[in-house]
Amino acid sequence: DGGITQSPKYLFRKEGQNVTLSCEQNLNHDAMYWYRQDPGQGLRLIYYSQIVNDFQKGDIAEGYSVSREKKESFPLTVTSAQKNPTAFYLCASRHMNTEAFFGQGTRLTVV
Amino acid sequence: KQEVTQIPAALSVPEGENLVLNCSFTDSAIYNLQWFRQDPGKGLTSLLLIQSSQREQTSGRLNASLDKSSGRSTLYIAASQPGDSATYLCAVRPRENYGQNFVFGPGTRLSVLP
Repeated sequence: DGGITQSPKYLFRKEGQNVTLSCEQNLNHDAMYWYRQDPGQGLRLIYYSQIVNDFQKGDIAEGYSVSREKKESFPLTVTSAQKNPTAFYLCASRHMNTEAFFGQGTRLTVV
Repeated sequence: KQEVTQIPAALSVPEGENLVLNCSFTDSAIYNLQWFRQDPGKGLTSLLLIQSSQREQTSGRLNASLDKSSGRSTLYIAASQPGDSATYLCAVRPRENYGQNFVFGPGTRLSVLP
């Protein structure tokens, strides 16, 4: 089946630890995105990438890093510099001017 | 800067009613507008995409309209069912600044009561 897959579904991070969230798509989409969703708030853009080996900061990039070495993959690392990482993280992809598709999300909790 | 609002924030209706969700955006310079559905703890499911040159799109019991000049879109749900209960989000893709990015509204939380 074609789609966009995020893993893991749940992730727990200790203080001072870096963690990486996976996002993979087999839709042959050029653009990929990472959003953060907090309770009662809308989606906020962290990073996006329009092509391989290129990515741009969104509204809340501080404390996060990404890579885009392959078209299919856009992993997000939540670094220790992100002081309030507990949130629901959503990955999306799109080809040119068509529909955007989202993954099922990763819920990250600091323990 | 593009801003998107949605009214109402929450809506509770009995099963079978027809209902309208509203989305407003401040800048008419958009590529398209997309409606999504989000169930609790889940990702977003795409419902309808309207390109800037289109006036409406239909899928089953859903109909979305776009009035770009007035900065408005409506999502019409016919004969609502309890399974329609979810949060509905609209998002516009602005032509300027981020170019490829979406700007999301805060969502309307819909409850359809049996």
